[in-house]
Amino acid sequence: ETGVTQTPRHLVMGMTNKKSLKCEQHLGHNAMYWYKQSAKKPLELMFVYSLEERVENNSVPSRFSPECPNSSHLFLHLHTLQPEDSALYLCASSQVFGAAPTGELFFGEGSRLTVL
Amino acid sequence: AQTVTQSQPEMSVQEAETVTLSCTYDTSENNYYLFWYKQPPSRQMILVIRQEAYKQQNATENRFSVNFQKAAKSFSLKISDSQLGDTAMYFCAFMKHAGNEKLTFGTGTRLTIIP
Repeated sequence: ETGVTQTPRHLVMGMTNKKSLKCEQHLGHNAMYWYKQSAKKPLELMFVYSLEERVENNSVPSRFSPECPNSSHLFLHLHTLQPEDSALYLCASSQVFGAAPTGELFFGEGSRLTVL
Repeated sequence: AQTVTQSQPEMSVQEAETVTLSCTYDTSENNYYLFWYKQPPSRQMILVIRQEAYKQQNATENRFSVNFQKAAKSFSLKISDSQLGDTAMYFCAFMKHAGNEKLTFGTGTRLTIIP
């Protein structure tokens, strides 16, 4: 396994379902991210975990719940979603060197979510 | 807050030609970084090129180069000798100097290289 792996690649769920997206990075990085990618909109940063602590939550609705049990794994728990939550959810990781940022994120292929 | 604008939703060019993708941004910061990321169809997004705002020299990576105009807040990407593998979504992104890797992205430009 190399890079950043996301599962499942595709997910269809009803508005009352509970599901989870999983991300695993094999790069030894110390920060992980969830982004939402919708057509014709900029990538939206949802959550940032640095050294396994959440450092950013960009006013994301509570129906999205992240979990970072260790530096290699990141989950996004989903419940009672809305059709407008349908999007490509991207996971990324990076090595944060304190005040010396590189800006280089390593992305997974994404999980395509459809909410019916 | 920073904003990044990509005014070309879609572009296409013949293989081997040169193409330029536009990006403008708005910020009150003086120290920052700019990036172009590439997202091929159904594949991971990857970093193409990075520019530090304090550097006057434009960054170059093989066939990819940028035209960074700090005063105009413009950051275009030039792809020379375009190849079929260059077909992808291209995202321009901005990060403050002490931004802890938090990037602000544009809406992307879908580039198609025609054989």
